[in-house]
Amino acid sequence: AAGVIQSPRHLIKEKRETATLKCYPIPRHDTVYWYQQGPGQDPQFLISFYEKMQSDKGSIPDRFSAQQFSDYHSELNMSSLELGDSALYFCASSLKLHYNEQFFGPGTRLTVL
Amino acid sequence: GENVEQHPSTLSVQEGDSAVIKCTYSDSASNYFPWYKQELGKRPQLIIDIRSNVGEKKDQRIAVTLNKTAKHFSLHITETQPEDSAVYFCADTLRGGSYIPTFGRGTSLIVHP
Repeated sequence: AAGVIQSPRHLIKEKRETATLKCYPIPRHDTVYWYQQGPGQDPQFLISFYEKMQSDKGSIPDRFSAQQFSDYHSELNMSSLELGDSALYFCASSLKLHYNEQFFGPGTRLTVL
Repeated sequence: GENVEQHPSTLSVQEGDSAVIKCTYSDSASNYFPWYKQELGKRPQLIIDIRSNVGEKKDQRIAVTLNKTAKHFSLHITETQPEDSAVYFCADTLRGGSYIPTFGRGTSLIVHP
């Protein structure tokens, strides 16, 4: 069965650079979530989209933005990168907002030097 | 997460023993509680979930109980095996009326052969 796809899997950037992470949800899933997980930490919810509209917002910094496109894939744009942005970034998708289980992608490991 | 307390942070058991992880939540309107298993560097994987209209759910060696009055839910793993070793996260899915998934801080389960 098709799973959530994230690209790239690994990314190394310098401070103050920008990064774009991509997420391709499971086909027919209409909701996408982004999470940030620091080393030894729990996943922190950043933002979600339902039917291409922003749904809920969590602890996403103002330097980050995201959107969901007409084909339901989503991109997380990160600017003015800081050392503290180094983390695993997970995307998850679900069929319906609120009540269905989330399927996580393999994650993108971002390292900021 | 600030709205979900998870205990213990570390749990060490012998193979074949049972393991119990407990979480408490604060939003009485919360109605969906998933549990995730995460191996090092891998994605969180849903292992069981419970909705607020039931008090217990079981899937082979894994069970979850929910006490809505006390606002806590627990994960029970029986006949533990070394491959159960991982970090387990509980989650609450409502914060202030919005669908903002909040994870507990995680329990590192170690099953000794």
